[in-house]
Amino acid sequence: EVQLVETGGGLVQPGRSLKLSCVASGFTFNNYWMSWTRQAPGKGLEWVASITNSGGSTYYPDSVKGRFTISRDNAQNTLYLQMNSLRSEDTATYYCTREEGAHDYWGQGVMVTVSS
Amino acid sequence: DTVLTQSPALAVSPGERVTISCRASESVSTGMHWYQQKPGQQPKLLIYGASNLESGVPARFSGSGSGTDFTLTIDPVEADDTATYFCQQSWNDPYTFGAGTKLELK
Repeated sequence: EVQLVETGGGLVQPGRSLKLSCVASGFTFNNYWMSWTRQAPGKGLEWVASITNSGGSTYYPDSVKGRFTISRDNAQNTLYLQMNSLRSEDTATYYCTREEGAHDYWGQGVMVTVSS
Repeated sequence: DTVLTQSPALAVSPGERVTISCRASESVSTGMHWYQQKPGQQPKLLIYGASNLESGVPARFSGSGSGTDFTLTIDPVEADDTATYFCQQSWNDPYTFGAGTKLELK
């Protein structure tokens, strides 16, 4: 059974940093691209970052480019999202997803609240 | 960015057929996917590549379209289908999602 378990969320002040982790199990982690997608409270979904299966390439939308960094440790089956210079508009539930064009598996999500 | 437009809400009776539309501001070929999200849960993939049924998803769900116009059909609708349905394109950079269509049952 595929499982994606996110950790690392919480309350953080604007301008500060936070790092999310996602531990994957139930599939061969290093065969798949992985992504982060977020959802602000009561709002829609927004793709945040993707990383190739080897970790050699990463992709971001303009809204987070230069502030967020996606990475992975294939030996530990773990995906990361380093978030710097956080803003109030980054407040959301962050989902770790397995990606094959479509996001075919989603974690339960972790809440990040950016507020003073 | 590719904007995906969905109607905000629909209300149907159990047993009926419902179509949920998603229109893209530019062609996404068949790089369109559909998700179901129930309150308090993560999204669940229903359809990938515009018309391919994800494993384990009931055959009541189907998808069609290419280019800019896409449709998710549920036939027949069941009470458990109450949820918000999102379309997402992976053809153009950046990936984008529609705002979602909330399906309510009468």
